Amino acid sequence: DAGITQSPRHKVTETGTPVTLRCHQTENHRYMYWYRQDPGHGLRLIHYSYGVKDTDKGEVSDGYSVSRSKTEDFLLTLESATSSQTSVYFCAITPEGNSGNTIYFGEGSWLTVV
Amino acid sequence: GENVEQHPSTLSVQEGDSAVIKCTYSDSASNYFPWYKQELGKGPQLIIDIRSNVGEKKDQRIAVTLNKTAKHFSLHITETQPEDSAVYFCAASSTYGQNFVFGPGTRLSVLP
Repeated sequence: DAGITQSPRHKVTETGTPVTLRCHQTENHRYMYWYRQDPGHGLRLIHYSYGVKDTDKGEVSDGYSVSRSKTEDFLLTLESATSSQTSVYFCAITPEGNSGNTIYFGEGSWLTVV
Repeated sequence: GENVEQHPSTLSVQEGDSAVIKCTYSDSASNYFPWYKQELGKGPQLIIDIRSNVGEKKDQRIAVTLNKTAKHFSLHITETQPEDSAVYFCAASSTYGQNFVFGPGTRLSVLP
């Protein structure tokens, strides 16, 4: 158990609306990540964070923004949702004290854009 | 950049038999190779990992082997059980999690 809580777990939204997914952790992990998972593409990194207000882009960042104003929360925002953003979104963390590159995933947020 | 291939894409075995999933990677700088198991409707769960200074690691019925020269690593599951049925992902990384590259996954079915 990575101690990650994602919300909402399931959401249906309309094209063009903004959507925010929340990742919450209680164990003071510095490194947090947002991935999306799609058939045929596997797991792809959207954005990641090294700490409060310290974020960077991943492989598929277009159309997404993130914020990390507190250690425990990493928010993923779709400014104007499109059907191509229908996906399963996973938050992940690297535990403190780890040798550096182990990541643990949350349970996922299923997003459908209609 | 790193590229990870994974084979087979689907695998069916009889309960009690062994299952082997193979991955190859392209970047010789990669030094960490985890395996994840994902059950339907859940997030990927880390089941075993290996670092480049080790050739083999075992945890009960699960083992991973690494051949750095050939740039491939494999997951071995012995005495398979129905609860082993899931999608398995390999990955390769050289530094922190932002450099993870995942394989496309293998759907393992263990038939009773």
